[in-house]
Amino acid sequence: DVKVTQSSRYLVKRTGEKVFLECVQDMDHENMFWYRQDPGLGLRLIYFSYDVKMKEKGDIPEGYSVSREKKERFSLILESASTNQTSMYLCASSTPQENTEAFFGQGTRLTVV
Amino acid sequence: GENVEQHPSTLSVQEGDSAVIKCTYSDSASNYFPWYKQELGKRPQLIIDIRSNVGEKKDQRIAVTLNKTAKHFSLHITETQPEDSAVYFCAADSGGGADGLTFGKGTHLIIQP
Repeated sequence: DVKVTQSSRYLVKRTGEKVFLECVQDMDHENMFWYRQDPGLGLRLIYFSYDVKMKEKGDIPEGYSVSREKKERFSLILESASTNQTSMYLCASSTPQENTEAFFGQGTRLTVV
Repeated sequence: GENVEQHPSTLSVQEGDSAVIKCTYSDSASNYFPWYKQELGKRPQLIIDIRSNVGEKKDQRIAVTLNKTAKHFSLHITETQPEDSAVYFCAADSGGGADGLTFGKGTHLIIQP
């Protein structure tokens, strides 16, 4: 069974803080993704990575960065958290083959106050 | 890039009736169209997918149809049951898997007893 685990289920941070969201997968997947989920906006891609130390911007990368030092771990970094980054963050992973399922983590509900 | 439109945003049906959710996509290069179900407080999970060389696919009470010419695809759920209540997301993949999926904004399906 594929397991994608996000380090925190709920997180409350102050404006201006540096925030780290961690994601680990145990299926040796090459591809990893960070999405943001907001009501009425669906899932929007922030960043993705198709290999260790590789990263690509998604549709809404502003205000975020990522780190992929090991194949199983993909971190999302909010350099200086702002209230408009209050959201549900979902990590996902998949194999590099075309047309394959993405497996999601359970999500991190981040509130920036 | 790809743009996926999903309708309706909310759908309420009587238990036992059928439900249909429709999506359109913009990138004619897209060749993989998965549907994810997200129950309240849980992670999105793949329920069915279709590839561009197929027009229809069925799995028990759920089916997906694809019209490549018109660039639209639909999810059909027959004999709806209370456990079908969830948010459903359609998605399209034009990047060969490595670029991430582009999701619709989601449909909240409500099954009325």
